[in-house]
Amino acid sequence: DVKVTQSSRYLVKRTGEKVFLECVQDMDHENMFWYRQDPGLGLRLIYFSYDVKMKEKGDIPEGYSVSREKKERFSLILESASTNQTSMYLCASSKRGVSPLHFGNGTRLTVT
Amino acid sequence: TQLLEQSPQFLSIQEGENLTVYCNSSSVFSSLQWYRQEPGEGPVLLVTVVTGGEVKKLKRLTFQFGDARKDSSLHITAAQPGDTGLYLCAGVKANAGGTSYGKLTFGQGTILTVHP
Repeated sequence: DVKVTQSSRYLVKRTGEKVFLECVQDMDHENMFWYRQDPGLGLRLIYFSYDVKMKEKGDIPEGYSVSREKKERFSLILESASTNQTSMYLCASSKRGVSPLHFGNGTRLTVT
Repeated sequence: TQLLEQSPQFLSIQEGENLTVYCNSSSVFSSLQWYRQEPGEGPVLLVTVVTGGEVKKLKRLTFQFGDARKDSSLHITAAQPGDTGLYLCAGVKANAGGTSYGKLTFGQGTILTVHP
């Protein structure tokens, strides 16, 4: 079974802090994704990566950056957290091309 | 505006009832996926439909992809409390090339509650 592990289930950070969300997958998937999930808005893509050191902006990249130094790990960085970044963050991975996404269990981030 | 519009956003029904969730767009999709998400977990894939007019069945769940590949539906027969959850449709736009290939767009989701 594919496992996608997000390092934290809950995080509480203060406005202006730098926040790192970590995601690791164990199935050698090429693609990795970061989504945020908000009520009534579904899942919105922040960034995705189709290979090591490669990244592309999703639909809502502002205020975020990402890092993929190793194939199994994809990090989401909030350079200066703001209250409007309070949300559920979901990491996912998939094989190259059109393939099902395998999701982690999410990190609920609260910025106060 | 949402590229994929799901309706209804909320469904509250009694055990044994039937229901249909719709996923509509003005864009053509090369494939559509349906996911189910339970509280505290990530979404889990239920099915992928790729051919216009395709119908797939998963026990009491029936999925249909529209002939023009712009819409899809999920029909649940004789709903059970275990069907409770958030249902999400997601699609890959047709002619999405290069690194966009494989990038999914999600609908807003339908929260289904089935009461015993």
